[in-house]
Amino acid sequence: QKEVEQDPGPLSVPEGAIVSLNCTYSNSAFQYFMWYRQYSRKGPELLMYTYSSGNKEDGRFTAQVDKSSKYISLFIRDSQPSDSATYLCAMRGLISYDKVIFGPGTSLSVIP
Amino acid sequence: NAGVTQTPKFQVLKTGQSMTLQCAQDMNHNSMYWYRQDPGMGLRLIYYSASEGTTDKGEVPNGYNVSRLNKREFSLRLESAAPSQTSVYFCASRDGGDRYEQYFGPGTRLTVT
Repeated sequence: QKEVEQDPGPLSVPEGAIVSLNCTYSNSAFQYFMWYRQYSRKGPELLMYTYSSGNKEDGRFTAQVDKSSKYISLFIRDSQPSDSATYLCAMRGLISYDKVIFGPGTSLSVIP
Repeated sequence: NAGVTQTPKFQVLKTGQSMTLQCAQDMNHNSMYWYRQDPGMGLRLIYYSASEGTTDKGEVPNGYNVSRLNKREFSLRLESAAPSQTSVYFCASRDGGDRYEQYFGPGTRLTVT
């Protein structure tokens, strides 16, 4: 079993839809949770960062962590064609600053 | 600022050939990383350097060596390339300490035939 699982998609939605992207993980030591966005043939860039459980909102993006279920989500409201990318969840333990575990990514297409 | 730069962008090698992937960052970051990205596997850490003068193995170090040349530069060497090393390689850097964000370069697409 992989440490971090993510539905690879592809996920295709119409412009303006609400998108839900999810990851599950198996290591209860993970404390920090991140979402990276990766455009085609580019390097990933950090989108959201959350510590422990709870919600965090930034504009159209909301990150949610449920540590009891080992489940994290990224919601995108009013999705735009510019949101078309691969979304990677990532996580690490309390002191493992350098060993971040990435999910395989979900490919999202937002159709105008 | 250019951020994190990688050379070359593309490379084709024959099995058994060697090559070095170069990475440089201009953000004065302490920590640098090499990842490989394969379909369905996500990013996997090959080696990292938490600070100038130190290097450590990541999840998939076999077949690779690294050199932290100075604070700016971190190179990845394939001594004898194998088809299993066909991948996209990303370099990243991080400020260090409890700063969490990693900044990634544009990647090197490597094919080993």
